Amino acid sequence: KQEVTQIPAALSVPEGENLVLNCSFTDSAIYNLQWFRQDPGKGLTSLLLIQSSQREQTSGRLNASLDKSSGRSTLYIAASQPGDSATYLCAVYGQNFVFGPGTRLSVLP
Amino acid sequence: DAGITQSPRHKVTETGTPVTLRCHQTENHRYMYWYRQDPGHGLRLIHYSYGVKDTDKGEVSDGYSVSRSKTEDFLLTLESATSSQTSVYFCAISEWDQTYEQYFGPGTRLTVT
Repeated sequence: KQEVTQIPAALSVPEGENLVLNCSFTDSAIYNLQWFRQDPGKGLTSLLLIQSSQREQTSGRLNASLDKSSGRSTLYIAASQPGDSATYLCAVYGQNFVFGPGTRLSVLP
Repeated sequence: DAGITQSPRHKVTETGTPVTLRCHQTENHRYMYWYRQDPGHGLRLIHYSYGVKDTDKGEVSDGYSVSRSKTEDFLLTLESATSSQTSVYFCAISEWDQTYEQYFGPGTRLTVT
């Protein structure tokens, strides 16, 4: 059974810092890995999707990498802003979609 | 944003009553999903559909049923609601193209008293 973990569970940083969120999964037989953002009381917004054949994807200040063999993905956020404060979830798609528990990020002005 | 709506957005109901949640999409995506999100458990798949009248169970399907009579609508029914079904319910869609990217609706907050 696929299991997805995310470290850290919560993170608080001052504005302007670069930061890394981690996602680990136990079964490397995946089609893709997707990173989402969730604001309090809201739905999930797709940030980046990495297909199994890809190593990384970039969108603006976000960069996500994927190492299938080690079962790891990282989400790099450059020059963090208070508007980046949210919970970040990763999900892997193998037999079905399995989500991690999320990392709650607070960016302080 | 993907065209996904959920109704109702909030509902309070009593134990033992039937409840139906609706998900509507305008993207014509083939696949639709129902998840529940609970503190300490994250997002868990309840049921999904891979076409009209084609559905399958997810991780936490007990106590739930689904129906899909049209491409755009996916209904989740709690036949007899219990307090353990108090949760936030999310609908999602995806297409079986090269990416299988998922898009989520705004959620329905259900409270069973």
